[in-house]
Amino acid sequence: EDKVVQSPLSLVVHEGDTVTLNCSYEVTNFRSLLWYKQEKKAPTFLFMLTSSGIEKKSGRLSSILDKKELFSILNITATQTGDSAIYLCAAYSGNTPLVFGKGTRLSVIA
Amino acid sequence: GAGVSQSPSNKVTEKGKDVELRCDPISGHTALYWYRQSLGQGLEFLIYFQGNSAPDKSGLPSDRFSAERTGGSVSTLTIQRTQQEDSAVYLCASSLWIGGTDTQYFGPGTRLTVL
Repeated sequence: EDKVVQSPLSLVVHEGDTVTLNCSYEVTNFRSLLWYKQEKKAPTFLFMLTSSGIEKKSGRLSSILDKKELFSILNITATQTGDSAIYLCAAYSGNTPLVFGKGTRLSVIA
Repeated sequence: GAGVSQSPSNKVTEKGKDVELRCDPISGHTALYWYRQSLGQGLEFLIYFQGNSAPDKSGLPSDRFSAERTGGSVSTLTIQRTQQEDSAVYLCASSLWIGGTDTQYFGPGTRLTVL
């Protein structure tokens, strides 16, 4: 059965800290891994990763995929209170819909 | 351009009543998905539509749940004889479903509360 596991489930940090969120996956015929940020109801797309070792970067957020070890990390540097959200990781196999992890709830306190 | 829209944004209903939730996908997106997110839980896949193919209903939790997509665009998720455990946020997403990628864009969701 395909599955995606995220860790930690929740995290509390202070503004300015750097955080690393983890996502491991077991998906048959894996094609890509996606990260989403969910603040209220709708997750918003952050990154899609298809190749190992190539970092995707957007501002203070970056992500990388390791297809050999079957995991991805999402880094957030110099965190701000606006980064507080649930971060969702999802794996795509090409034949079935995305398989989502349960998410990491990040709380950034001033 | 317009994103995925859903209506209503909130729905409160009594146990045993039927509800209909609506989703308008991004224009041109061939794939449409319904998910459910209960409090503190991850996204639970319910059903998806891809072009003219038969929908994948494998995630529907019971036969009280059904969905249709008319004209390859708007979709309606229907829950019959609602139960309290149906209370959740129902999210719709759409994508272009180009081979090898499936970046899904989500609507704002409908928060369903069954009393």
